[in-house]
Amino acid sequence: EAQVTQNPRYLITVTGKKLTVTCSQNMNHEYMSWYRQDPGLGLRQIYYSMNVEVTDKGDVPEGYKVSRKEKRNFPLILESPSPNQTSLYFCASSLSWDRAYNEQFFGPGTRLTVL
Amino acid sequence: KNQVEQSPQSLIILEGKNCTLQCNYTVSPFSNLRWYKQDTGRGPVSLTIMTFSENTKSNGRYTATLDADTKQSSLHITASQLSDSASYICVVRRETGANNLFFGTGTRLTVIP
Repeated sequence: EAQVTQNPRYLITVTGKKLTVTCSQNMNHEYMSWYRQDPGLGLRQIYYSMNVEVTDKGDVPEGYKVSRKEKRNFPLILESPSPNQTSLYFCASSLSWDRAYNEQFFGPGTRLTVL
Repeated sequence: KNQVEQSPQSLIILEGKNCTLQCNYTVSPFSNLRWYKQDTGRGPVSLTIMTFSENTKSNGRYTATLDADTKQSSLHITASQLSDSASYICVVRRETGANNLFFGTGTRLTVIP
């Protein structure tokens, strides 16, 4: 089944404890992206990747890191989480960034709470 | 400034009734507009995509319209069902630039029996 998977789905952690949220897609998509979703603010892009080893900042990149060593994986790293990073996180992928009609497929989401 | 605004923020309707959600945008140059449905606790799923030349497109009980001149789109849901309860998100793509997707904050629809 074609899908985007994220792990973990739920995570409660404490301030300053490094964590990684994994994202994997099995559709051979070039473009992958991370979003956070907060009430009243909608989806905001954190980082995106047009292909392997190509990543760039989105609208809210502060406090996050990403890497794209393989096409299928795009982990989101929080080196020193803070309470304002408590949010619902979504990974998404699409065939390529430059084809206008490519649909983005979203993962199931990771609900992160930082105490 | 490139923006996407949706209204209303939330909506409660009776099962079987129709409703219309609005999306206004200032994104330019315009490429396309997508409506997503997001069930509670799940990721958004695309319902339909509207391009510059399309005025109306249907997907079952969902009908999207686009007026590229006034930069407005609507999503009409006919004969609502309980399973339509979800957030509906409007996403506009700009023709140029790598970071070229602009998201509305969504309309939360609740269908009650």
